[in-house]
Amino acid sequence: SQQGEEDPQALSIQEGENATMNCSYKTSINNLQWYRQNSGRGLVHLILIRSNEREKHSGRLRVTLDTSKKSSSLLITASRAADTASYFCATDEGWETSGSRLTFGEGTQLTVNP
Amino acid sequence: GAGVSQSPRYKVAKRGQDVALRCDPISGHVSLFWYQQALGQGPEFLTYFQNEAQLDKSGLPSDRFFAERPEGSVSTLKIQRTQQEDSAVYLCASSFSRAAPGGRYEQYFGPGTRLTVT
Repeated sequence: SQQGEEDPQALSIQEGENATMNCSYKTSINNLQWYRQNSGRGLVHLILIRSNEREKHSGRLRVTLDTSKKSSSLLITASRAADTASYFCATDEGWETSGSRLTFGEGTQLTVNP
Repeated sequence: GAGVSQSPRYKVAKRGQDVALRCDPISGHVSLFWYQQALGQGPEFLTYFQNEAQLDKSGLPSDRFFAERPEGSVSTLKIQRTQQEDSAVYLCASSFSRAAPGGRYEQYFGPGTRLTVT
């Protein structure tokens, strides 16, 4: 079953604008990860934030994590047409017998218009 | 510098047929995962291997699903007597063991096998 929800389900913006996607989850986690998926390249890991971190940056990506609210956000700045894809958050609940088994949200479909 | 590869990329099966989906993980990765992704949904966990040991198969939807990794490298997901509800993309991912010092958590995904059951 899905861990939680992402919103919005779909987002359409113009190139150069910022895009913000939100993710909520239900259980305690070890870390939270964001992945991108498009038809050409499959699922690609973007960024990981550990449960004791509140914010992390990687290039044009900024991720925040609020464990008290069980929520995370992904901000993509200065978007490009190539950012068009589905974005998924995924939580690692730290089950020792399950390696780093991930529980994914339902995803946000981002469209960046040139 | 190969990533995770999966074959076939596309598979069409008639209802009731058996299928076998193959995953070649990144060399040296001890952890291997299978996920099922229905259209418009996020991937859902099926099963996990650490080397050749299947440590978690709680996500397998029925006893028609079977996975193996006999030599701790290549893995095969087998679906017997396929049903229409089995139609999905099956994703394989590999990663370093979480138990390794400075353990890595990032999973590297293959391109998936799109299974269509008619």
